[in-house]
Amino acid sequence: SQQGEEDPQALSIQEGENATMNCSYKTSINNLQWYRQNSGRGLVHLILIRSNEREKHSGRLRVTLDTSKKSSSLLITASRAADTASYFCATVLNRDDKIIFGKGTRLHILP
Amino acid sequence: DGGITQSPKYLFRKEGQNVTLSCEQNLNHDAMYWYRQDPGQGLRLIYYSQIVNDFQKGDIAEGYSVSREKKESFPLTVTSAQKNPTAFYLCASSVDLRRREVTDTQYFGPGTRLTVL
Repeated sequence: SQQGEEDPQALSIQEGENATMNCSYKTSINNLQWYRQNSGRGLVHLILIRSNEREKHSGRLRVTLDTSKKSSSLLITASRAADTASYFCATVLNRDDKIIFGKGTRLHILP
Repeated sequence: DGGITQSPKYLFRKEGQNVTLSCEQNLNHDAMYWYRQDPGQGLRLIYYSQIVNDFQKGDIAEGYSVSREKKESFPLTVTSAQKNPTAFYLCASSVDLRRREVTDTQYFGPGTRLTVL
């Protein structure tokens, strides 16, 4: 069952530019998380934002959450080649405890 | 070093064979999960376990089986009943989603790529 859906599916930008990825979901949530996956590797947790929060920062990452629109965005500022990866949003629902992942955005940073 | 490990990294199976994928964690986490990832796709939950000796089916449990005899270990068996087992398998753990005072973050292993010949 797909809950979060990332947009765009793929994104290519020049090194140094900012990258923005969006996630939309369907039902109310307890929290929303963003993960990164390098090719052929496991996922790495980046940031968690709870339903009563609107914005969080971690280094070059900025996450926003709009519960009225059921959407979140991940902004990576001053992108680097090492940011090339797939980025997934994941939601933890209020009604049960499972975490549900979207299909991801493939980000490619061009040198 | 605390972490979650999976073995083997690559696994080849002949049709009709059962294979078991290993997942071990030394993070003292209660909950463990198995996901399947197909190319260009997200993660689909196969099985999860919130406590030793207990586990629940996820969204795509058919053709798979698990056990949770120890807190540290959550092996996944891909049986011959799984029609299309070629995929990337990811194991994860978390403290316990029922304890809301701690983060719900999941920690992932490096994955096992299973190919059916």
